Amino acid sequence: QVQLQESGPGLVKPSQTLSLTCTVSGGSISSGSYYWSWIRQPAGKGLEWIGRIYTSGSTNYNPSLKSRVTISVDTSKNQFSLKLSSVTAADTAVYYCARARYNWNDVCFDYWGQGTLVTVSS
Amino acid sequence: SSELTQDPAVSVALGQTVRITCQGDSLRSYYASWYQQKPGQAPVLVIYGKNNRPSGIPDRFSGSSSGNTASLTITGAQAEDEADYYCNSRDSSGNHAVFGGGTQLTVL
Repeated sequence: QVQLQESGPGLVKPSQTLSLTCTVSGGSISSGSYYWSWIRQPAGKGLEWIGRIYTSGSTNYNPSLKSRVTISVDTSKNQFSLKLSSVTAADTAVYYCARARYNWNDVCFDYWGQGTLVTVSS
Repeated sequence: SSELTQDPAVSVALGQTVRITCQGDSLRSYYASWYQQKPGQAPVLVIYGKNNRPSGIPDRFSGSSSGNTASLTITGAQAEDEADYYCNSRDSSGNHAVFGGGTQLTVL
């Protein structure tokens, strides 16, 4: 059973960089044709896809966040990471990491971390 | 703004059937996936592809699609089905994922 766990600071100051890591257990991050993704959810609001990475290092980002987002992968540690720069209060949210399966005609996120709350405040 | 549109709230009487819809241009090319989210919990995948349920999801959950609209149907809604439901698909480029704004389901 694949499990994902987010980790990182719960409080980030405005204008600084938010950094989170997702540790994958129960399977190798390199096995299978999966994309590893970040998704966030502000309190009381909907889900927002941030971006994805393949184990080759290939990435795609939400166009609305692309200029501030970097997702990377460390296959030796079975981890992938998110960096979001120049944060503001609008970036306060629960951040989820998830495994994505892309088929030719759909995408689904079949495993999710429990989520971690990141608050942007001075 | 989301490229997938959902009704903000829907209600259903206990034991009755409810359909939750999701509209978007990308749904003409891609199937939607559906997620159930209860307060304080991570989303759970309930439907993916044409109409597939992950292991452990009750068969009262089903999915369908027509034109630019995808639907999640719960046949015989139970009290434990009360939750927020989100649809998800690829965007028109195919390289990105998008989510609908979510539908809050109340079971009366």
